[in-house]
Amino acid sequence: GAGVSQSPSNKVTEKGKDVELRCDPISGHTALYWYRQSLGQGLEFLIYFQGNSAPDKSGLPSDRFSAERTGGSVSTLTIQRTQQEDSAVYLCASSLWQGGTDTQYFGPGTRLTVL
Amino acid sequence: AQSVTQLDSHVSVSEGTPVLLRCNYSSSYSPSLFWYVQHPNKGLQLLLKYTSAATLVKGINGFEAEFKKSETSFHLTKPSAHMSDAAEYFCVVSEVYTGFQKLVFGTGTRLLVSP
Repeated sequence: GAGVSQSPSNKVTEKGKDVELRCDPISGHTALYWYRQSLGQGLEFLIYFQGNSAPDKSGLPSDRFSAERTGGSVSTLTIQRTQQEDSAVYLCASSLWQGGTDTQYFGPGTRLTVL
Repeated sequence: AQSVTQLDSHVSVSEGTPVLLRCNYSSSYSPSLFWYVQHPNKGLQLLLKYTSAATLVKGINGFEAEFKKSETSFHLTKPSAHMSDAAEYFCVVSEVYTGFQKLVFGTGTRLLVSP
């Protein structure tokens, strides 16, 4: 079946602009995660959604970052007033989350470049 | 908090020779451990996972890993490298909270395979 998809694959923006990154999880997966992969920080957790519950935002680096998930499916990660340090690959993952150890399936990522 | 340490940032092998990618973990309880692979400009793909069943875990593409509690290690091996194995490999430990699981990634090991 279809895997996790993300759009756009690449995004170049100017410092100070807002950007939106989209994630379409695997159909039927209730859990959705955002991660960021950057040269200086490696791979780091940003935010987690499970069904209709309030998201866990403990990994968001600043209040310029926000995310929402509509209808328990598609998610959008928004970065306001982008800074050069926001340049990274943003990865989305989804899973069934039935408790215990869960396998997260990753999308191809969105490469964000802030000029 | 749990963590993983990947002992080598780069590993170079010749095609047809064995592969060993080293990973040590730190965990206050029995961990769930994963190896993911990332090919250039591609998303993360799960190679294998350990969930306290058999200590020797077999994954895709001929890879396997052995969980050794006494050594807090989870090294990834393959008997014979192929050119297509050239990629970045991440050792990952799972932190389980009420209602969700967060992945904590190592810094990655880049595997180079020469003809």
